[in-house]
Amino acid sequence: EIVLTQSPGTLSLSPGERATLSCRASQSVSSSYLAWYQQKPGQAPRLLISGASSRATGIPDRFSGSGSGTDFTLTISRLEPEDFAVYYCQQYGSSPPTFGQGTKLEI
Amino acid sequence: QVQLQESGPGLVKPSGTLSLTCAVSGGSISSSNWWSWVRQPPGKGLEWIGEIYHSGTTSDNPSLKSRVTISVDKSKNQFSLKLSSVTAADTAVYYCARLGVVMAFDYWGQGTLVTVSS
Repeated sequence: EIVLTQSPGTLSLSPGERATLSCRASQSVSSSYLAWYQQKPGQAPRLLISGASSRATGIPDRFSGSGSGTDFTLTISRLEPEDFAVYYCQQYGSSPPTFGQGTKLEI
Repeated sequence: QVQLQESGPGLVKPSGTLSLTCAVSGGSISSSNWWSWVRQPPGKGLEWIGEIYHSGTTSDNPSLKSRVTISVDKSKNQFSLKLSSVTAADTAVYYCARLGVVMAFDYWGQGTLVTVSS
């Protein structure tokens, strides 16, 4: 199975700053099948980005995704207080679908 | 707006079978989507369990060693999960989710905590 490794494990930033989260795959992943999710405590994950770079419906444009092959990035241009959460990358290109271990974005 | 709602026992005995149902509203389970189960042990990450298409075609995670059964009931617009021979390691929040045309999980249930304990 494809292992997704996210870094850093924890990212400490302040509102207004830029956040850069990394997701590295053990094998090449088709960009069409790489997604990012946000999860807040006690809530289900929420889809942010699909196809490596397409924002889901209702997702603010401060969230952007990029990358290809084995290296993908989620960027939050200017952090808002509500952005502090855990972020997961996920691939569906190879079975079984797998998730990264998560990056916790904290104030 | 599609909504998913998990239901089932919150406590299962070791060696027993975990059974959950996901009711789909606001959309048809017979649409061109796959329907999945994902779990999350307390304080840990997400693990895909398996999926089903409305035709009954299924796929599941080999890591669960054939303990998974997923079924669909089109008349009730719902799908179900059975996980057999459970241990404490199966304690988790269980989510149902829809795989959208964008090849990502675009709709999720709110999740239900299942604890395996005697």
